[in-house]
Amino acid sequence: QKEVEQNSGPLSVPEGAIASLNCTYSDRGSQSFFWYRQYSGKSPELIMFIYSNGDKEDGRFTAQLNKASQYVSLLIRDSQPSDSATYLCAVGGSQGNLIFGKGTKLSVKP
Amino acid sequence: DTGVSQNPRHKITKRGQNVTFRCDPISEHNRLYWYRQTLGQGPEFLTYFQNEAQLEKSRLLSDRFSAERPKGSFSTLEIQRTEQGDSAMYLCASSLGTGNGYTFGSGTRLTVV
Repeated sequence: QKEVEQNSGPLSVPEGAIASLNCTYSDRGSQSFFWYRQYSGKSPELIMFIYSNGDKEDGRFTAQLNKASQYVSLLIRDSQPSDSATYLCAVGGSQGNLIFGKGTKLSVKP
Repeated sequence: DTGVSQNPRHKITKRGQNVTFRCDPISEHNRLYWYRQTLGQGPEFLTYFQNEAQLEKSRLLSDRFSAERPKGSFSTLEIQRTEQGDSAMYLCASSLGTGNGYTFGSGTRLTVV
């Protein structure tokens, strides 16, 4: 059973701080990794994807991947109250489907 | 075409009734996925199609569930003899190939009473 693990939170950070969200996965053969943001009552929306070890930056967001440790993270710089949401980590399955973690709830306090 | 469209947005049904949901993917996307999400959980994979072919079904998809994608366009998900445990958000997503993640629809929230 392939698993994706996330700390459910809530993770609370002050406005302007860096929020760090973490995810581990069980399938060492996984090749693609995704971060989705989900506001309460809404559907998930894709923030970033990463395939290679290292960092990938997009605006205030940085995804980090370490395949040896089976670990992927998302950093949000200069956190804003509008970033308050649940962040879902997803790992690409062998058939192209995504396997999601339970999500980490982030709260950014003004 | 502005995204993935799901209908209805909400459905309340009595236990034992059948329900059908529809998903219209982004027109150029060849893959279509169905997920189920309950409160506090991440989306759980149900099934997916590449064009009109249903390529994989999760063990979560009991024999009361059936999905179709005629002609590789829209898809329907039917639940027969609904149970209270079927209450959830049913999410449809589509993608072009497998590389760049999915685009999700707004979901259909099912409540079985």
